[in-house]
Order: sequence, then structure tokens, then C-alpha cells
Amino acid sequence: ETGVTQTPRHLVMGMTNKKSLKCEQHLGHNAMYWYKQSAKKPLELMFVYSLEERVENNSVPSRFSPECPNSSHLFLHLHTLQPEDSALYLCASSPRTLRGRTGSEAFFGQGTRLTVV
Amino acid sequence: TQLLEQSPQFLSIQEGENLTVYCNSSSVFSSLQWYRQEPGEGPVLLVTVVTGGEVKKLKRLTFQFGDARKDSSLHITAAQPGDTGLYLCAGSYNNNDMRFGAGTRLTVKP
Repeated sequence: ETGVTQTPRHLVMGMTNKKSLKCEQHLGHNAMYWYKQSAKKPLELMFVYSLEERVENNSVPSRFSPECPNSSHLFLHLHTLQPEDSALYLCASSPRTLRGRTGSEAFFGQGTRLTVV
Repeated sequence: TQLLEQSPQFLSIQEGENLTVYCNSSSVFSSLQWYRQEPGEGPVLLVTVVTGGEVKKLKRLTFQFGDARKDSSLHITAAQPGDTGLYLCAGSYNNNDMRFGAGTRLTVKP
């Protein structure tokens, strides 16, 4: 039990489909993240939300649209994806204080394995 | 852009052997984490190091943070098949940002 739950675990979608990935954390954390993990590449940070506000968007294509309705839930809306978007999408959360250096440890969900056909 | 380099990329050893994997950066970390990831799962946090020169032990795993806080190592003693996985280091440069290395994929053969 990691405290971070992602659904679905596996998703196959066509390039014209619209789908959403869901992430929920029960750890009381204030920051949530979306990462993309492709084979043989480092984890790529996609989006960061802190206190429900998006604080970073690493030039992710607009076909990926995040939503953070509250500090416990994070969504990634997908539309018109490309085959190269197939990857493991990981959600993470971390505690965050308004001041100081603490809060940088990430707790990950199990990921959603996405295949775009 | 801060980059983390992990070495070796792949490592295959026999059960009972010792090993060390490395994480290096040209930038100073405010903190550094080590994670282990098994196939089909998300990374699981093993340890966080914050102070230069810090050494932490977790059973057969020993983590060391460089004095200049720009590098770290993970040493495993008497490796077991259950240690098999992808070992990731992540450096934190501020409270919101973590950069990951590409990882070391370890296989321990019985």
C-alpha cells in the first residue's frame, strides 16, 4: 500500500480516442506530479501541482491536459495521442512546506501502462 | 538543465556478490533520493540523504552522499535475487523539482 493509487493500470487507446488517467493520494501531501517513463529513458517530469495550482509544465504537448480539482486528486486527460506517447505514466505526491527544504521525497503510484495504437 | 548520470546502466551478478552503483551530477543537490522499481510497478523510495558525507544503512544496502553533495553511491552486500530491479537516483534542486537518472538495471541470478 503506497498511499498513491492510479487507475486504470493498463490502457489501450486509438489515436482518435479521448481518455483520462486518474490519481488519488491519501497521504495528506500538497504536491502532485505526472511523470512519463519510456523504455531506456529517464523519468520525464510532465506536470507539477502544488496546493492545487500548476507550478510547472515542462513543455508538454497540448494533447496532454492535467487537472487537479483538489490536493488529493490528479487527472491527466488524453486526446489525439501518437504511438510514441505509449509509455508508463506515473503519478507521484510529496509533502511540501511553504518554507524550508523539506518535502522533496516522492511517493509513486503503480503507474498506468498506456499503449496508443 | 541539471543532469544525473547513473552507472553502470546494466549489472548482472550472482547471488552473494557485492556491488556498487553510482549517481553523479555537475550540480549540487539540496537532497538526493534512491528508489527501486520493479517491472510494472512505480518506484519505491529507499532513502533520502541531505548532508554532505552522510552515510545511511538499510539492512544490506549502504548509501553514501558525496562531501560536495554532487554524487552518491549505493552499495549492496551479499546480493539476493530479491534485490533485482531498476535503481533510480533523484536529485532535488528545490522543493518542487526532482530530476531522475536513467537508472541502473540490476539482475541477481540465483
